Amino acid sequence: AQTVTQSQPEMSVQEAETVTLSCTYDTSESDYYLFWYKQPPSRQMILVIRQEAYKQQNATENRFSVNFQKAAKSFSLKISDSQLGDAAMYFCARGYGGNNRKLIWGLGTSLAVNP
Amino acid sequence: GAGVSQSPSNKVTEKGKDVELRCDPISGHTALYWYRQSLGQGLEFLIYFQGNSAPDKSGLPSDRFSAERTGGSVSTLTIQRTQQEDSAVYLCASNTKPLEQFFGPGTRLTVL
Repeated sequence: AQTVTQSQPEMSVQEAETVTLSCTYDTSESDYYLFWYKQPPSRQMILVIRQEAYKQQNATENRFSVNFQKAAKSFSLKISDSQLGDAAMYFCARGYGGNNRKLIWGLGTSLAVNP
Repeated sequence: GAGVSQSPSNKVTEKGKDVELRCDPISGHTALYWYRQSLGQGLEFLIYFQGNSAPDKSGLPSDRFSAERTGGSVSTLTIQRTQQEDSAVYLCASNTKPLEQFFGPGTRLTVL
């Protein structure tokens, strides 16, 4: 089965520090998209960042960046200058199906930010 | 404009009862998705609607689950003869382009 694995069920970081969340995945496809979503206690999933597999350059969105290693099938999320509002569940997902419309998800990493 | 809304926010039902969960997507979004998020599990794809095309039902776990989308807008997910293992958060998402899904707050279903 094609899977997405997040090996860290829980992580914590001090406010203003940097934290990296891990994600690995399995696929036989050559072109696909990868996503990080954030789910705060409100339950509403919010897209943090996405990466297209054929692009070598790592995606960056403000304090959020990824380390995409295609050969290793690894897609980690780095959060710089962590803020209290970053505390949430973070899910890694891989697109599949036509136009990557469907997503397969990891089990999530719960991130705590300590003041 | 308003985001994706879902109702009810929470639903408690007895085993064997039928339930209906509602999703109002963002206006103009042609695609609509239903997911199930069980405790300790990742999100599980259930069903996907795109415009007037036949829905992709490949994720529905059993024939007790069905969904419809009326007028290309509102969608209802129906679970018949609910079981305790159906307890989960049911999330709805919509989009126009495939690369970002906009999620609602979910419905937490508890089957006693």
